[in-house]
Amino acid sequence: DTEVTQTPKHLVMGMTNKKSLKCEQHMGHRAMYWYKQKAKKPPELMFVYSYEKLSINESVPSRFSPECPNSSLLNLHLHALQPEDSALYLCASSQQRGNRPQHFGDGTRLSIL
Amino acid sequence: DQQVKQNSPSLSVQEGRISILNCDYTNSMFDYFLWYKKYPAEGPTFLISISSIKDKNEDGRFTVFLNKSAKHLSLHIVPSQPGDSAVYFCAASGLEANNLFFGTGTRLTVIP
Repeated sequence: DTEVTQTPKHLVMGMTNKKSLKCEQHMGHRAMYWYKQKAKKPPELMFVYSYEKLSINESVPSRFSPECPNSSLLNLHLHALQPEDSALYLCASSQQRGNRPQHFGDGTRLSIL
Repeated sequence: DQQVKQNSPSLSVQEGRISILNCDYTNSMFDYFLWYKKYPAEGPTFLISISSIKDKNEDGRFTVFLNKSAKHLSLHIVPSQPGDSAVYFCAASGLEANNLFFGTGTRLTVIP
């Protein structure tokens, strides 16, 4: 069982909808990450939070809005997405920024109609 | 441009034999390397890592070798078991390790 929990596992939404992806970890990790993975491609970093503060935004469009309400939770708010945003969204956490392995959740598979 | 490359999309090995998965990288600033295993419908699971100050790290059946001069690393699994059948991703990061750069993965099939 993964120690990083992502909900929902699947999400289908229209281009005008607003939805949120949720990620939770209880390992005491202080760095959390959002990745996007398209089919047959490797995961690509979107955002990094360190000690609940956004430290990295890899030029992600503003229709993706991350939020870290506390050290265990990471949300990704979605609004006005495009069909090309359909992908697997992976959350990860690590003890802190630096050379530590990142532990991944099982992802949310997002489909935009 | 892909900074981490896994040139073999698939590998088949008999149960009990050695599996060798290869990975090449181009960025000489990378100093931390990891291998992840991924089953369908699950996220990547961390397997083993190596820092650039080492050339070998071993954990049970899994050994990672790093050749910095060749910018190459490999994962050895011995003996291979059917439960090892999965997609294996190589990943690399620099000092800050904010970003993991992943290879495209190698699908390992262990034949009973």
